[in-house]
Amino acid sequence: DAGVIQSPRHEVTEMGQEVTLRCKPISGHDYLFWYRQTMMRGLELLIYFNNNVPIDDSGMPEDRFSAKMPNASFSTLKIQPSEPRDSAVYFCASSLPPDRAPRHSPLHFGNGTRLTVT
Amino acid sequence: DQQVKQNSPSLSVQEGRISILNCDYTNSMFDYFLWYKKYPAEGPTFLISISSIKDKNEDGRFTVFLNKSAKHLSLHIVPSQPGDSAVYFCAARGDTNAGKSTFGDGTTLTVKP
Repeated sequence: DAGVIQSPRHEVTEMGQEVTLRCKPISGHDYLFWYRQTMMRGLELLIYFNNNVPIDDSGMPEDRFSAKMPNASFSTLKIQPSEPRDSAVYFCASSLPPDRAPRHSPLHFGNGTRLTVT
Repeated sequence: DQQVKQNSPSLSVQEGRISILNCDYTNSMFDYFLWYKKYPAEGPTFLISISSIKDKNEDGRFTVFLNKSAKHLSLHIVPSQPGDSAVYFCAARGDTNAGKSTFGDGTTLTVKP
C-alpha cells in the first residue's frame, strides 16, 4: 500500500491567496483526519471524517478554513484567504474503525504539507 | 487545558543505554494510549500502544508502562540505537471517539553513538 498521500509537499503563498491541500487516504480506511503542527500549539486536530461525513470540526480555527471529502479516496483542506499565522505543517491521517482493526486503531499519517504564507 | 503532556522537550542518551520518555494525562476517560515516532520531513508513524486495562506492553526493544492512578505512562527503549533519534509523541483517545486522538507536544530523542 502506498500509504496516505498528501500534496503538495510544500506550498508558499502570499497573504490573501487561496490555498488547497489535498489528501488521499489508505484504501479501506473509513476515518480521515486533518491535523496541523505548529511550534506553539503542537499537533492539533482540525477536523475528522467518518465515511466521508464530517464528524467533528471543532478544531477548525475559523471560517477561513474548510474541508471536504467528496469520496472515500480524496479530501481537501482549503484556506481562503490565507494569513501568515496559518503557516504550519498540515498532516492528513487515516485509520480503520476499531471494529475492523486492532482496538487501539492507530492513525496512519501522510508526510504533510509545509505551508508558508508570506 | 492540555490533556496530554510531555514535559521534557528533549532527551539525550548514549547508544546502548535505556531511553525513558514520559507522558502525563488528565482525562481519566482515555482508553488507549499510543506512541508515535516522527522523523524530520515525515509524518508520525505508530510505534506501540497500551490499553487502559493493562499496565505494560512490550514489543521488542520498546516497552510502554501505564500507571493509571498517577495518570502517567512511559516509553522505555532498550538498548537505544542512533536510528531511534526522532521526535516521540504520546497520544490518547477514548473508546467512543474512534481515532480522535489527543497528542502531547513531543519529546526529541537524540541517541549518541
